[in-house]
Amino acid sequence: GAVVSQHPSRVICKSGTSVKIECRSLDFQATTMFWYRQFPKKSLMLMATSNEGSKATYEQGVEKDKFLINHASLTLSTLTVTSAHPEDSSFYICSARDRTTDVTEAFFGQGTRLTVV
Amino acid sequence: KNQVEQSPQSLIILEGKNCTLQCNYTVSPFSNLRWYKQDTGRGPVSLTIMTFSENTKSNGRYTATLDADTKQSSLHITASQLSDSASYICVVSRQGGGFKTIFGAGTRLFVKA
Repeated sequence: GAVVSQHPSRVICKSGTSVKIECRSLDFQATTMFWYRQFPKKSLMLMATSNEGSKATYEQGVEKDKFLINHASLTLSTLTVTSAHPEDSSFYICSARDRTTDVTEAFFGQGTRLTVV
Repeated sequence: KNQVEQSPQSLIILEGKNCTLQCNYTVSPFSNLRWYKQDTGRGPVSLTIMTFSENTKSNGRYTATLDADTKQSSLHITASQLSDSASYICVVSRQGGGFKTIFGAGTRLFVKA
């Protein structure tokens, strides 16, 4: 199946700093990528949908200035958590849709565990 | 309201036993339904994907069923293994623009020796 690589898998940062998470589709082109946040023992919560070459669409309640999303190419999307605070500590997961498939299949990255201290 | 509800919330079974997880949805208009397995601290991995016209699909020891009339799906795991311990997430997508998907809360499965 298609492979989505997410980096880093774990990151610890100091409060007030910014962290960038990368999501790459390794063997397919992804016109659309999705960013999720997951709290312990909870399901994934969609944060935003990013389309290559255009601005991301954020879900209600997600601060666009805090969670900056860039989808500059068909294989790379980045999520930057700006001025991180301890409450931003969470598991962040991206997924990407293969532009060649008819069915809305989405392949997930491995996730990034962010800890803000 | 578009919702996906999964049951049970958690399940403990002995290694080698079978189990069935349930997913009921009210998503409309329906596009497809997927089952994912998510190990702790990892991203979800796709098990099966079914469209409106499909009512069963297998992937090794995993068999998913779909009843589009009653809007119910099940995931049957045969001869469970310790490595099956994970969260199983049911995801339903709507037709139309935006690729809107609705996630179930998941069923946490624990397989014990």
